[in-house]
Amino acid sequence: QITLKESGPTLVKPTQTLTLTCTFSGFSLSTSGVGVGWIRQPPGKALEWLALIYWDGDKRYSPSLRSRLTITKDTSKNQVVLTMTNMDPADTATYYCAHLIATTSYFESWGQGTLVTVSS
Amino acid sequence: QSVLTQPPSVSGAPGQRVTISCTGSSSNIGAGYDVHWYQQLPGTAPKLLIHTNNIRPSGVPDRLSGSKSGTSASLAITGLQAEDEADYYCQSYDGSLSGWVFGGGTKLTVL
Repeated sequence: QITLKESGPTLVKPTQTLTLTCTFSGFSLSTSGVGVGWIRQPPGKALEWLALIYWDGDKRYSPSLRSRLTITKDTSKNQVVLTMTNMDPADTATYYCAHLIATTSYFESWGQGTLVTVSS
Repeated sequence: QSVLTQPPSVSGAPGQRVTISCTGSSSNIGAGYDVHWYQQLPGTAPKLLIHTNNIRPSGVPDRLSGSKSGTSASLAITGLQAEDEADYYCQSYDGSLSGWVFGGGTKLTVL
């Protein structure tokens, strides 16, 4: 059974850097074809893909947010970390991590999400 | 503004059939990339409902079906039930953006 769980601060100030951790089980990010992505959802709004990292270290970023995002993995800890710089109130959202198989293009399993509020 | 376009809302009475459309472009759905659908119940994470255009994961009832043609896709729900009331999102891959794209979401109301 695949599970993912997001963790990190619930409140950050404008201009600060957000660091979120996705801790997962039921699969290994060292297995060929596996990926973990981050998706966010502002309150009452649509889903937006942010970033994804593959088992081989290949990283993909949303073009509109590329300059602010960094995604890394720690295979030994079964964790993926997303950092987002220069946070703004418009970045207030629930942030999800999700599991993807490289031969497909869908997110098979999702974490429960973590709400991050950006406010001074 | 989302790359994939969905109607903001649809509704239907119990037992009826509803469809939710998802319109893309030549860089995503029209380029041959698959379409996937997620259901999001209030206050919960999205759940995969249909993948690879028309494949239901285990546990998803056959009342739900997906289709794709050209630059569009559709999700159909027959025999509408109260438990189907949720937000539905389509998703694909965009070759020009080199990334995953979602629709704006459709709120299904069961009357």
